[in-house]
Amino acid sequence: SYELTQPPSVSVGQGKTARMTCEGTNFGSRGVHWYQFKAGQAPAMVIYYDRDRPPGIPERFSGSKSGNTATLSISRVEVGDEADYYCQVWESGGDQWVFGGGTKLTVL
Amino acid sequence: QVQLLQSGTEVRKPGASVKISCKASGYTFTAYTVHWVRQAPGQRPEWMGWVKAGDGNTDYSQKFQGRVAITRDTSATTVYLDLTSLRSEDTGVYYCARAGNGWYELAHWGQGTVVTVSS
Repeated sequence: SYELTQPPSVSVGQGKTARMTCEGTNFGSRGVHWYQFKAGQAPAMVIYYDRDRPPGIPERFSGSKSGNTATLSISRVEVGDEADYYCQVWESGGDQWVFGGGTKLTVL
Repeated sequence: QVQLLQSGTEVRKPGASVKISCKASGYTFTAYTVHWVRQAPGQRPEWMGWVKAGDGNTDYSQKFQGRVAITRDTSATTVYLDLTSLRSEDTGVYYCARAGNGWYELAHWGQGTVVTVSS
């Protein structure tokens, strides 16, 4: 089965830049999407198709992809950005929506 | 604005069934696909399936084939998830999520429904 690998945790100082990676195979033209999960809230899509930002998501959130690694970056990190972040792709072989294991962002 | 409002907490015994609803508003209901995603405690989100709200066509994850049904009521702009033969591993938070314009992204999410399966 197709797997996406994310580091379990990232810690960064307030005001600094957080970078979270998502590794897969044959990323190629697959679009990578990123979601923010906070306890007790509806999850939110923060980046779609590698680098597009939905309306209402701050410009501090950005995405990139190179080879088999996608990266979500959050600049000028705020305490309110603490959350679990998951990457997701559509896996054509099994026609599945696949999620990574998630990265817990802690703001120091 | 797009809103997906899910039904409340459910508690079931092993072997029972559960039906969760997802009331959509703020967009043309029949124009988008709605997915169901669940997250067991401490686990990554897991895709369960989708329904095309326009024609009712569905697709399910092989993991849930035979136990899951996703339906929609266009007059009520509501999508439903039916899960049968529940076991303890089905405990978790169940989310509905509406696709975006690109099909593969999950652009809008419901607040989640907690399902607990316990004897």
